[in-house]
Amino acid sequence: ETGVTQSPTHLIKTRGQQVTLRCSSQSGHNTVSWYQQALGQGPQFIFQYYREEENGRGNFPPRFSGLQFPNYSSELNVNALELDDSALYLCASSLSGDTGELFFGEGSRLTVL
Amino acid sequence: AQSVTQLDSQVPVFEEAPVELRCNYSSSVSVYLFWYVQYPNQGLQLLLKYLSGSTLVESINGFEAEFNKSQTSFHLRKPSVHISDTAEYFCAVSLTGGGNKLTFGTGTQLKVEL
Repeated sequence: ETGVTQSPTHLIKTRGQQVTLRCSSQSGHNTVSWYQQALGQGPQFIFQYYREEENGRGNFPPRFSGLQFPNYSSELNVNALELDDSALYLCASSLSGDTGELFFGEGSRLTVL
Repeated sequence: AQSVTQLDSQVPVFEEAPVELRCNYSSSVSVYLFWYVQYPNQGLQLLLKYLSGSTLVESINGFEAEFNKSQTSFHLRKPSVHISDTAEYFCAVSLTGGGNKLTFGTGTQLKVEL
């Protein structure tokens, strides 16, 4: 068991709505990263948070935003949902630096109708 | 920017046969390389990684991968697969000093048959 938990596991939204996904990181990990995995694709890096500050962002528009809390848990918010936002959203926690080892949760599957 | 190519989307193989999953990367700067595995209904798990040192790295369950800088490859191999190896395998890279921001390939579904 990785220790990273995500909620909700599944959800359905309609175009234009907003969604918040939550992640509890593994104990002792101070860095949280979010990835989007569309069907049949590999995970794509959305952004990373380290000590409550954004620490790098992938090629995603500003309507994708995040937060990290003092206990290192995190939220991913997506505004103005589009059909192409339908995907599995993965949270991964890690220690800072270049360890290369990310601990992934099982993901939140978002369907936008 | 770096990229990863996994040419084989699916690889069927019989149990106890050898297997190779191919991974090629592109980057103008030095990178770290990883293989992650996703078993059915589970999250991604790190299988093995190359950061520095010996170019041949091994996992605890018999997989190995070799970093080949000249061919920009990091192929994953196992001499004898088991049914329990059935999973999706993702190759990934990150920039050295990049702080665990990974770029993944599209994945290879390994299906081991009896």
